[in-house]
Amino acid sequence: GAGVSQSPSNKVTEKGKDVELRCDPISGHTALYWYRQSLGQGLEFLIYFQGNSAPDKSGLPSDRFSAERTGGSVSTLTIQRTQQEDSAVYLCASSLAQGAYEQYFGPGTRLTVT
Amino acid sequence: AQSVAQPEDQVNVAEGNPLTVKCTYSVSGNPYLFWYVQYPNRGLQFLLKYITGDNLVKGSYGFEAEFNKSQTSFHLKKPSALVSDSALYFCAVRDRGFQKLVFGTGTRLLVSP
Repeated sequence: GAGVSQSPSNKVTEKGKDVELRCDPISGHTALYWYRQSLGQGLEFLIYFQGNSAPDKSGLPSDRFSAERTGGSVSTLTIQRTQQEDSAVYLCASSLAQGAYEQYFGPGTRLTVT
Repeated sequence: AQSVAQPEDQVNVAEGNPLTVKCTYSVSGNPYLFWYVQYPNRGLQFLLKYITGDNLVKGSYGFEAEFNKSQTSFHLKKPSALVSDSALYFCAVRDRGFQKLVFGTGTRLLVSP
């Protein structure tokens, strides 16, 4: 079946602009995660959604970052007033439910802030 | 706090030889442990996981991993390496009380013909 999809695959933006990154999880997966992969910080957790529960936002690096998940499916990660240190690959993952299930990752969005 | 250590930045092995990629972890309780592989310009691909039970778990593409609770290790192994196994490998841990994965820094595996 279809895996996790993300768009755009690449995004170049100017410092100070806002960006939106989209994630479409595997159908039927109730848990959705955002991670960030950068050379300096490695792979780091950003935010987690599970069903209709309040999201776990503990990994968001600043209040410029926000995310929402509409209808329990598609998610959008928004970065406001982008900074150069936001340049990274943003990875989305989904899993069947919370618990012991593995997470399946999308191909990522490479964000470059100039 | 949860943490994962992958002590080797790179592992070099000749095709046909056995390979081991090392991982040690630290969690407060019983962990869920995972291995993922990343090919260039691709997302992470799930290889295998340890939840409970048998300490030796088998996964995709002939990979296996051994959970050792006393040494807090979860090393990835394969009896006979292929050139196509060359990629970046990540070990990850999840404390059962949390949902997020904590990743190691990754180990680049290079299999030479």
